[in-house]
Amino acid sequence: GENVEQHPSTLSVQEGDSAVIKCTYSDSASNYFPWYKQELGKGPQLIIDIRSNVGEKKDQRIAVTLNKTAKHFSLHITETQPEDSAVYFCAASGSGGSNYKLTFGKGTLLTVNP
Amino acid sequence: SAVISQKPSRDICQRGTSLTIQCQVDSQVTMMFWYRQQPGQSLTLIATANQGSEATYESGFVIDKFPISRPNLTFSTLTVSNMSPEDSSIYLCSVAPYLEANYGYTFGSGTRLTVV
Repeated sequence: GENVEQHPSTLSVQEGDSAVIKCTYSDSASNYFPWYKQELGKGPQLIIDIRSNVGEKKDQRIAVTLNKTAKHFSLHITETQPEDSAVYFCAASGSGGSNYKLTFGKGTLLTVNP
Repeated sequence: SAVISQKPSRDICQRGTSLTIQCQVDSQVTMMFWYRQQPGQSLTLIATANQGSEATYESGFVIDKFPISRPNLTFSTLTVSNMSPEDSSIYLCSVAPYLEANYGYTFGSGTRLTVV
């Protein structure tokens, strides 16, 4: 089955700096890659996602890049703010049948210091 | 996107008892999922619940321990049976909100279970 590795496990940045979180996946059939933000005491919130026919997607300060050949994808947050502090999870899934399940990385605790 | 209401939000239960968690969605969805998130850990899929069929369980999870119901396209329940302290976790309901595509999965706010 799919295996998703996520790095780093913790990341501390100064407010205004950029943050990058990287994930690799093992199953070349995976074609959907979402990122979730989980604040303390809350459920995961989908913040951005990308499909395998796209190399990059941006939404304001957040962007995701995908390299299918290397089987890795990254989350980029620019101009970080204290409210960006949370645990971020990457995930991967396939296109259907039994491959629709999301497999999650272990998470990255991002701390933005004011 | 779909809005998920999960109940209870938290509970403290005695070992050996059972707890049923409810997941209500504000729109019809084909696929509903139940996850477990142990303290400080990532999310692990327990089972997939499709309306009109038996739930499909992941390796390490069995129906006797985690029975699931899916009576219609907007509702599901997960029961944690014969609980032990090792079952203390956050249990999360998730849905694929678009009937014809598997993307945009959303999550409920979770049920924080403590077994004493």
